[in-house]
Amino acid sequence: GAVVSQHPSRVICKSGTSVKIECRSLDFQATTMFWYRQFPKQSLMLMATSNEGSKATYEQGVEKDKFLINHASLTLSTLTVTSAHPEDSSFYICSARVWDKETQYFGPGTRLLVL
Amino acid sequence: AQSVTQPDIHITVSEGASLELRCNYSYGATPYLFWYVQSPGQGLQLLLKYFSGDTLVQGIKGFEAEFKRSQSSFNLRKPSVHWSDAAEYFCAVNTNAGKSTFGDGTTLTVKP
Repeated sequence: GAVVSQHPSRVICKSGTSVKIECRSLDFQATTMFWYRQFPKQSLMLMATSNEGSKATYEQGVEKDKFLINHASLTLSTLTVTSAHPEDSSFYICSARVWDKETQYFGPGTRLLVL
Repeated sequence: AQSVTQPDIHITVSEGASLELRCNYSYGATPYLFWYVQSPGQGLQLLLKYFSGDTLVQGIKGFEAEFKRSQSSFNLRKPSVHWSDAAEYFCAVNTNAGKSTFGDGTTLTVKP
C-alpha cells in the first residue's frame, strides 16, 4: 500500500514552454502533497506544500507564478513549470501524506530537461 | 528552525562489513525522525522512522536506527552490508506542520 506515482518520468521541453507534472496517490487519499526539487548530488529542497482544495504554500524563494501547483482532488496534485528555462532543469519529486499522519510517501520523481 | 546534519558525505564499506551512518538533528520539540534510501534516478524509499517509544527501531532490508536524545542523534546501522545497499541515504526530521527537513545525504559505496 501507500504508492505514489508521477507522470511523466522524464520530459524534455523547449525553453519558454510549460510543462505539467502529475503526482497521484494510488491507494490512499492524500490530504497533503509536497513538491521537492533535487539537484544532482544534492538533497531535496521543499518547494511547496499543497492541501486538497486550498492554495499551495510556497517556501521562501520559490516563485509561485512560475511553479503552479494544483491539488484538485485527494489523489492528484499537479506541478506546472511555466515558461521553462534551462535553469529549471532538475529532478522533481512529490510526496503525499494523510492528514495528521507524519509519514510521507514519495513518488519516483520526474526528470525535467529544458533545452 | 530545524536542521539535519549528516557528517559523512561518502562512506565505503566492504560487502559483509557492518555499517553506521550518522545523523544529528536540531529541533526544539520532540522530533519525528526518518531514514530514506534513494537509488540513482529514483524517488525515496522509507527505511524506518521514529516517533516515540523504544529508541531502537527496526526497518526494512535489515536496517535499524537508534534515537539518542542526549546526543540529538539518529544513526542508521546494518550488521552486514550487501552490494545492493549501495545508494544515497537521507536522514530527515519532521516539524509539527508535517514538513520534512532533509540532511545532505550520505553516499554509500560497497566494495566486493
